[in-house]
Amino acid sequence: DARVTQTPRHKVTEMGQEVTMRCQPILGHNTVFWYRQTMMQGLELLAYFRNRAPLDDSGMPKDRFSAEMPDATLATLKIQPSEPRDSAVYFCASGLVQGAYSGNTIYFGEGSWLTVV
Amino acid sequence: LAKTTQPISMDSYEGQEVNITCSHNNIATNDYITWYQQFPSQGPRFIIQGYKTKVTNEVASLFIPADRKSSTLSLPRVSLSDTAVYYCLVGDLNDYKLSFGAGTTVTVRA
Repeated sequence: DARVTQTPRHKVTEMGQEVTMRCQPILGHNTVFWYRQTMMQGLELLAYFRNRAPLDDSGMPKDRFSAEMPDATLATLKIQPSEPRDSAVYFCASGLVQGAYSGNTIYFGEGSWLTVV
Repeated sequence: LAKTTQPISMDSYEGQEVNITCSHNNIATNDYITWYQQFPSQGPRFIIQGYKTKVTNEVASLFIPADRKSSTLSLPRVSLSDTAVYYCLVGDLNDYKLSFGAGTTVTVRA
């Protein structure tokens, strides 16, 4: 059963520390999303990758967040330095674009639960 | 990107049918309509997708009128385990800003 895998599942860190979250998209998918979820803001889109290229990251705080795809099987989201307001669940999701009408089925990982104290 | 509007919450009882309507007045020609379900401590998961008319699978039905400006997710005979947040997502994977709305919290009571 293909699935999106995220690590770590849970992370507690101190303010100012660097946090790196990793995601393995479903094999063969060419599109990766990073979302952040909090009670107050709901699901926020942070970044969008297609064929490993970051096509949109306007949802990310630029000064401290960065997202990359070193290869097709790994996407990373880094926060440096972390702040308490970054505490949230970070979801990675992947999908397959196959032309102009690709639908909008995306598959989510279980999330990385981040607490910054 | 089509903006969606759906009720914040709905209550139901076991065995009843639950219908959640989502409005998306500015849906684009290449946009699909997909519903996701999210349980606490889990990521959203796909329930059903449609483009127009009616789609049915083993867990739900999706009704889409001809103008496609709204859609209705129908959950037949709900059980306690159907208590979750349901999101209507309208767009296409080619959208750089495929964003979710606030979702509908469905609570099923015994």
